[in-house]
Amino acid sequence: GEDVEQSLFLSVREGDSSVINCTYTDSSSTYLYWYKQEPGAGLQLLTYIFSNMDMKQDQRLTVLLNKKDKHLSLRIADTQTGDSAIYFCAETLAGNTGKLIFGQGTTLQVKP
Amino acid sequence: DAMVIQNPRYQVTQFGKPVTLSCSQTLNHNVMYWYQQKSSQAPKLLFHYYDKDFNNEADTPDNFQSRRPNTSFCFLDIRSPGLGDAAMYLCATSSVGRNEQYFGPGTRLTVT
Repeated sequence: GEDVEQSLFLSVREGDSSVINCTYTDSSSTYLYWYKQEPGAGLQLLTYIFSNMDMKQDQRLTVLLNKKDKHLSLRIADTQTGDSAIYFCAETLAGNTGKLIFGQGTTLQVKP
Repeated sequence: DAMVIQNPRYQVTQFGKPVTLSCSQTLNHNVMYWYQQKSSQAPKLLFHYYDKDFNNEADTPDNFQSRRPNTSFCFLDIRSPGLGDAAMYLCATSSVGRNEQYFGPGTRLTVT
């Protein structure tokens, strides 16, 4: 079935790297996404990766995809206090017209 | 700037009193989505429009309806809000053939 799982909370110190992990169950995932949500706000698309790729880098963000293990991670280098937010992993499946299936979100706390 | 706009940002309604939430977009995207996000939960798709073609998720209650009078606007109607419908309602858009969904800031609905 469709299931996306994330750990609920991560705390890091400013300047450290953060790694947020996600697992999914459906092997027909086509794209996998990371969204950021600040308090009281909508979702901001950070990056996404096609399921045929294993890595994508975009400035401070690195996405790693292990398709065999159905594991996705988001690494944020040099984490800043402005990175504090909830991070959602999401997937789209083949043939489902772009519907996003979200994990429950990981709250990232960045301590000064 | 091209964007997804939701009005109002905060809406209070009474139990059982119909309410309409509004979404507009200047991106000229042909797909529009409505998601419901309850507190500390993942967003969940209610329905989407592919142009004028309405697509309901199987588990969306009948209490929720939607209208899309033109490309730019989409409305979410809740016919008889219950206390369990209090949530953040997120509108998103995408263009067929592209993989990004762009979200509005959301409308937080309170039911008293």
